[in-house]
Amino acid sequence: GQQVMQIPQYQHVQEGEDFTTYCNSSTTLSNIQWYKQRPGGHPVFLIQLVKSGEVKKQKRLTFQFGEAKKNSSLHITATQTTDVGTYFCGSNDMRFGAGTRLTVKP
Amino acid sequence: EAGVAQSPRYKIIEKRQSVAFWCNPISGHATLYWYQQILGQGPKLLIQFQNNGVVDDSQLPKDRFSAERLKGVDSTLKIQPAKLEDSAVYLCASTGLADIGTQYFGPGTRLLVL
Repeated sequence: GQQVMQIPQYQHVQEGEDFTTYCNSSTTLSNIQWYKQRPGGHPVFLIQLVKSGEVKKQKRLTFQFGEAKKNSSLHITATQTTDVGTYFCGSNDMRFGAGTRLTVKP
Repeated sequence: EAGVAQSPRYKIIEKRQSVAFWCNPISGHATLYWYQQILGQGPKLLIQFQNNGVVDDSQLPKDRFSAERLKGVDSTLKIQPAKLEDSAVYLCASTGLADIGTQYFGPGTRLLVL
């Protein structure tokens, strides 16, 4: 199956700072999905990217899919304490990265 | 619309015992997944069903884990016998044809093997 690597493993930011997590695959993906998991909770679907070079926005969140469809990123502008959680990327064959755990200091 | 239901929410057993988890997906969702999530890691796919057929069970440790979805609706995941390293959260998720790619996760069953 596909290997999906995610960096960084942890990120601690001051409220208002930006945050980015990166997802890289060893093989070309047909699509990639992003999920958010709050502490003690379950993963919640955020978005799916399908097209090469695709960029999608959800309020302060910007998702990108690389031209080669082997990497993706999630960028949060001006983080808020409600953004706290672990962000996972998942490949089309349901292989998940290890996640990036985001903590936000008020 | 009701979400994915799982039970029990918590389970503590001793090693070598057996345990079973139950999942009821969102009504009408044909695809059902079982994941194992060890603390600090991403979910690991154990098995994927399409209706009552297995699509992918390549990462299921078949010597001790089994799963079924006999009527294509709810599903059970069993571990027999359990090992210490099976301590994890077992997540069930489902996907519907209307929004392929969107997985809806249940609350999970937290298993502790002593």
